[in-house]
Amino acid sequence: NAGVMQNPRHLVRRRGQEARLRCSPMKGHSHVYWYRQLPEEGLKFMVYLQKENIIDESGMPKERFSAEFPKEGPSILRIQQVVRGDSAAYFCASSSAGTPYEQYFGPGTRLTVT
Amino acid sequence: DAKTTQPTSMDCAEGRAANLPCNHSTISGNEYVYWYRQIHSQGPQYIIHGLKNNETNEMASLIITEDRKSSTLILPHATLRDTAVYYCIVRSAGGNEKLTFGTGTRLTIIP
Repeated sequence: NAGVMQNPRHLVRRRGQEARLRCSPMKGHSHVYWYRQLPEEGLKFMVYLQKENIIDESGMPKERFSAEFPKEGPSILRIQQVVRGDSAAYFCASSSAGTPYEQYFGPGTRLTVT
Repeated sequence: DAKTTQPTSMDCAEGRAANLPCNHSTISGNEYVYWYRQIHSQGPQYIIHGLKNNETNEMASLIITEDRKSSTLILPHATLRDTAVYYCIVRSAGGNEKLTFGTGTRLTIIP
């Protein structure tokens, strides 16, 4: 029973490039969450998605960041025109529907912007 | 979601029980208490959650006071692998909302 999978595990981008982070939820899970952890800081919620719907994007920066969870395939967190301040660990979590279900986290993608 | 207060850091001897406290004095009746931990830079790991009754699983026990204003996570026989940052999170019964992580307690297990 595979857990939450994220790839790539490490990603290096130059300033101005695009970063695409992928998350495959646990089997049977239809809810995906993205969190960001800046160096030496705590985890901050970014966005919560269900299949083909964004439910809560209150933690997403207003510009350059977008997320999707298509009907088929993994969830994608996309960062356009990356800047040094985007360097962080990005964690994806998934949960099943219902109340109150715990979120299971993936190993994270460490983004470094040079 | 209610705010939680945890000690910044704690030490515990290997093999002893680690007791991690959490205050959540503004918790409302339909809010659950969740515990997660983050080992080094790995993804957070779910440990346990509860509403008002004490809970136990293979990892830990959760003791919630009768007034629900505080709780204690107990790791019965701490090992070096339990060294991590432990987060106490209060979350509504809606169930699928975001987790709001505070600063947590950095637990160090001493050999």
